[in-house]
Parts: sequence; structure tokens; C-alpha cells
Amino acid sequence: AAGVIQSPRHLIKEKRETATLKCYPIPRHDTVYWYQQGPGQDPQFLISFYEKMQSDKGSIPDRFSAQQFSDYHSELNMSSLELGDSALYFCASSLARGVGEQYFGPGTRLTVT
Amino acid sequence: QKEVEQNSGPLSVPEGAIASLNCTYSDRGSQSFFWYRQYSGKSPELIMFIYSNGDKEDGRFTAQLNKASQYVSLLIRDSQPSDSATYLCAVNIYGNQFYFGTGTSLTVIP
Repeated sequence: AAGVIQSPRHLIKEKRETATLKCYPIPRHDTVYWYQQGPGQDPQFLISFYEKMQSDKGSIPDRFSAQQFSDYHSELNMSSLELGDSALYFCASSLARGVGEQYFGPGTRLTVT
Repeated sequence: QKEVEQNSGPLSVPEGAIASLNCTYSDRGSQSFFWYRQYSGKSPELIMFIYSNGDKEDGRFTAQLNKASQYVSLLIRDSQPSDSATYLCAVNIYGNQFYFGTGTSLTVIP
């Protein structure tokens, strides 16, 4: 079965640079979520989209923005990167009409130097 | 207080035993509850979800939900070394916003 696709899988950036992470949800899933997971921490909800509209907002910094496109893929844009932004970034997708069970992508490991 | 609390462990059980993982949540309006398994450096993998009071069984896994007491648990029967991982409890409080616990580290000893 098709799974959530994330790219790139690894990314190294310097402080103050920008980064763009991409997420392709499971086909026919209409809801996308972004999470940030630091070492030894639980996934922190950043933002979600339903049918290309922002649905809920979590602890997403103002330096970050995200959107969902007409083909349902989503991009997380991160600017003015800081060392503390180094983490695993997961995208998950679900069907809104279900109970909300989310399926996670493999993640993008972002390292800021 | 975090929205979702888990005992971080580590929890060690011998192979073949029952592993019991617990999770409490703070918002009584929480709608649905999920258990994920996460191996180090990998993405969370959905094991089970539950949204009605009582038990839900799937193979060796049983999820239990008690909304009055605001806890949800996961039982793993006949534990195997491959079950060794971090188990994350997640709660959907409203809309499309989810909260995760910090996870319980489980080690199954051969």
C-alpha cells in the first residue's frame, strides 16, 4: 500500500538559511499534519491542513509557514533557521471522515549548523 | 500539566510476558485515542486506535479506554523482542489537533 512520502530525507543547513520540506500524503487522504520531534522528545504538533485549508495550529514558530496544494501535497517552509530547529520533521496524513488515525511518513532529519 | 502523560519507563518484561502501558489525558472532551510504536530514528507506526469505553483487541494487542478515569492503556500479550520500542500515546482533543505523550520505552528480554 502507498505510504506518506517525505522529501528530502536528510537536510543540512546553516543558521539563518531557509529550508523547504515536502510531504505527499497517502492517496485519497485529505488531511495533512506536520510534527517536529527533537531528540528524546515526543512529536510536537505544528500545523494541520484539511482540504487545502489550514485546520489547526500548534506550536509552529512564526518563522515557519506551510501550505497544502491542489494535489494535496504539503510544504513546510522554514526561514531564519536556528540551531534549535535541528530535529526530525514528520508529516502524517489521514482521512477526515475517519476517526483521525494518522499515518506517518519516514521523516526529514534537519540539521542546522 | 501536559495534555497527555505517560510513564517514561523504561519498562522491561521477559519474552512471552504481558506488557502493560498506561496513558492519562487531561481534557475530558478528548475524542479518540491512539497508540503508536516508534523505533529509534524511525517514524511512529500506528498500532491501534480506540474511541469507545471498553476494550479493543487486535491480535496480541488490546487497547483499553476508561473515559471516566481519563486513561487509556495498551496490553501486549506474548511479548517478543521485536516489540522493544518506544510506545507513544496520542489523543485527539478537537479538530485536527493531536497531542502525544512523551512515550514509554519497552524492552522485551529474550
